[in-house]
Amino acid sequence: ETGVTQSPTHLIKTRGQQVTLRCSSQSGHNTVSWYQQALGQGPQFIFQYYREEENGRGNFPPRFSGLQFPNYSSELNVNALELDDSALYLCASSPVPGRSYEKLFFGSGTQLSVL
Amino acid sequence: SQQGEEDPQALSIQEGENATMNCSYKTSINNLQWYRQNSGRGLVHLILIRSNEREKHSGRLRVTLDTSKKSSSLLITASRAADTASYFCATDQRDDKIIFGKGTRLHILP
Repeated sequence: ETGVTQSPTHLIKTRGQQVTLRCSSQSGHNTVSWYQQALGQGPQFIFQYYREEENGRGNFPPRFSGLQFPNYSSELNVNALELDDSALYLCASSPVPGRSYEKLFFGSGTQLSVL
Repeated sequence: SQQGEEDPQALSIQEGENATMNCSYKTSINNLQWYRQNSGRGLVHLILIRSNEREKHSGRLRVTLDTSKKSSSLLITASRAADTASYFCATDQRDDKIIFGKGTRLHILP
């Protein structure tokens, strides 16, 4: 167990709706990264938050947005859901922002299905 | 886009045999990591090798890194049924973000 918790574990939405996914980072970790993993693919980097500020973003449209709170927990919001947004969304925390010698600690993910 | 590409995409071996997976990447890195994922759950960190290292061991795992060829390999010795999982290599980008490959799906046959 990594100490990173995500909620909910599963979610079903319809196209056009909005969704909020939540993540509690491991104690002492001030950096949270979000990844999208489509079936049979590797995790794709969405963005990273460090001390409540976005600290890098992957190739995702603006309808993917996030927040980080003072306790370092984080939210991923997706507006105007599309069918292709169906995926496993993974949250990962680390003690420093993406420092190259630090490993990521992952939660178990939220499986989002868009119908 | 994904930085690393694992090879093969899928691998089935008998229990007790060794499993080798390869990863190629495109740009300069500071380190390369390997992660394991069991059936759509979260990823678990296995091992990290820095760009100035050539080989690293952890239990039954052996990782090599060849920066001149921009490639790495993960060897799992004496495989067990519990090793059945997907394995991903991950590399850091210049802005320190960690980017994953598409993975190798390993199946250990009894």
